[in-house]
Amino acid sequence: DQQVKQNSPSLSVQEGRISILNCDYTNSMFDYFLWYKKYPAEGPTFLISISSIKDKNEDGRFTVFLNKSAKHLSLHIVPSQPGDSAVYFCAIRGSGSARQLTFGSGTQLTVLP
Amino acid sequence: GAGVSQTPSNKVTEKGKYVELRCDPISGHTALYWYRQSLGQGPEFLIYFQGTGAADDSGLPNDRFFAVRPEGSVSTLKIQRTERGDSAVYLCASSPDGNYGYTFGSGTRLTVV
Repeated sequence: DQQVKQNSPSLSVQEGRISILNCDYTNSMFDYFLWYKKYPAEGPTFLISISSIKDKNEDGRFTVFLNKSAKHLSLHIVPSQPGDSAVYFCAIRGSGSARQLTFGSGTQLTVLP
Repeated sequence: GAGVSQTPSNKVTEKGKYVELRCDPISGHTALYWYRQSLGQGPEFLIYFQGTGAADDSGLPNDRFFAVRPEGSVSTLKIQRTERGDSAVYLCASSPDGNYGYTFGSGTRLTVV
């Protein structure tokens, strides 16, 4: 049973347009939602997070929205740039002491020049 | 060091052999995590160290997997009697205190033939 689902394995967007990456979750016992970006042959790098008590967090071109009633998280990138092309993972952090992350399966974003 | 270092970057081994994967975390980081990423999936939690002790090893798939961190810095993930299903990228991450913004290494790609 997957606790975190990214139903779109891939997404292509034109440079300058908005990219919207989506994530659904089933477990409500979390305190943070996070997005990581991964380039080939590199480890995931932290991008942006949102606390369970908020519904929006913005950092430059990146905005994360949390809809707790729908158990849905989205990442908006605007404007999209070719360098944003990567695999994006959403992850939830459990509220237990280990703070381990549960990741979705990822979405490959391709930004076309 | 500047980042999390993992060695080797690639490892090919025969089924039934023993392997060790090394992780050198960022200096001073007390929390260290091991994750495993199979093809087309997100990283899956294996084990968490706080200092020298394994605070949570609930993600280890079976008793063929073991990890140590004897001096609270470098960690080694050990896999006995490797199986083809163990083939994956093994990721290590560290953080100053176990909070969410931890830094991943580039991973070790293990292939069991």
